[in-house]
Amino acid sequence: GAVVSQHPSRVICKSGTSVKIECRSLDFQATTMFWYRQFPKKSLMLMATSNEGSKATYEQGVEKDKFLINHASLTLSTLTVTSAHPEDSSFYICSARVGTGDFKREKLFFGSGTQLSVL
Amino acid sequence: SQQGEEDPQALSIQEGENATMNCSYKTSINNLQWYRQNSGRGLVHLILIRSNEREKHSGRLRVTLDTSKKSSSLLITASRAADTASYFCATAFGWGKFQFGAGTQVVVTP
Repeated sequence: GAVVSQHPSRVICKSGTSVKIECRSLDFQATTMFWYRQFPKKSLMLMATSNEGSKATYEQGVEKDKFLINHASLTLSTLTVTSAHPEDSSFYICSARVGTGDFKREKLFFGSGTQLSVL
Repeated sequence: SQQGEEDPQALSIQEGENATMNCSYKTSINNLQWYRQNSGRGLVHLILIRSNEREKHSGRLRVTLDTSKKSSSLLITASRAADTASYFCATAFGWGKFQFGAGTQVVVTP
């Protein structure tokens, strides 16, 4: 199956600093990647859709200036949490869809997630 | 957007027993998918069932779909300690955009 690599797996930073999380598709080209946020024992919340070569599309309520997304190549999308604060502490997961041309068969491949802790 | 809601929220069973969890959703779907998440990890796709299918099997997994009731169930037979994880149902509301349920946390004790 398709492999999505996400780094780092864990990061601890001071309040006010920026943190970059990388998501790479290793054996396929991902024109579209998705970034999710997950609180402990909760569901995944879709933050934004990252499109290669164009601006990301953010879900309602997600601050685009806080969560910068760049999808500069077909295999790499990055999420930068700018001026991080303790309330940004969370588990962030990226995913990519492997397009089949059939909407009814679309499924996602996920990175292993990044646990962000802001002190 | 659609809502996938699982129940129970948590399930504790012994090895060898079956585990059943349910998912309900609100709007029409093209397919419904189940994913598994080990603690602190990403999600792994388990099985996809199309809206015109009623039942699907994959190894020890059995998924049913009742579109009239807008519900699905995931059955894990002969559970193992390694099945301990959270299980999420997901429905699509756009190309690659999925709405995930709150998940069922399954603990299998030896």
